[in-house]
Amino acid sequence: GDSVVQTEGQVLPSEGDSLIVNCSYETTQYPSLFWYVQYPGEGPQLHLKAMKANDKGRNKGFEAMYRKETTSFHLEKDSVQESDSAVYFCALSVDNFNKFYFGSGTKLNVKP
Amino acid sequence: EPEVTQTPSHQVTQMGQEVILRCVPISNHLYFYWYRQILGQKVEFLVSFYNNEISEKSEIFDDQFSVERPDGSNFTLKIRSTKLEDSAMYFCASSDPDISNYGYTFGSGTRLTVV
Repeated sequence: GDSVVQTEGQVLPSEGDSLIVNCSYETTQYPSLFWYVQYPGEGPQLHLKAMKANDKGRNKGFEAMYRKETTSFHLEKDSVQESDSAVYFCALSVDNFNKFYFGSGTKLNVKP
Repeated sequence: EPEVTQTPSHQVTQMGQEVILRCVPISNHLYFYWYRQILGQKVEFLVSFYNNEISEKSEIFDDQFSVERPDGSNFTLKIRSTKLEDSAMYFCASSDPDISNYGYTFGSGTRLTVV
């Protein structure tokens, strides 16, 4: 079935560090890929997206490249800030966004 | 910016009781969804709803669950006889009829606690 696997648990970089949060997906179809961000007490919010292979999603200094050959969509940032602290979910959709499959979430906790 | 509104923000109910979670989707959206997030786990799809009927549902969405759009603005999720394992955050979402706009928006959620 369709699924997403991402870096589990918590990531604890210091402010100014670079960041990679891994995301791999599995599907027999041609997905659109997303990163959602969730702040405490709120619902998931779209962070960035890529609709097809070799697209790069960008937002607030974060980037993710849709790589079909490795079925990956890793989230990267050159220099994280304390305000980036949140839970990040990788997700895919295969049926015109009728539903999303989410990964388990990665808590980013940036130390000042 | 338009938003999806969910009420209540927190609901406590006794096991076996019925609960109704309410959502007001964005006004021009035509597709509606419910998702569930058990504490510390992934967000899971429950059901999608379009044109006054369920378009897809997951295996989680069994006979205890139902959805309804009782009027032009509300979208509800009913759990007929709650179980302890129904305790979770429930998120409503709605999406734009024009897929190219990608207007998929989640509400802030209702925390359901079954005791």
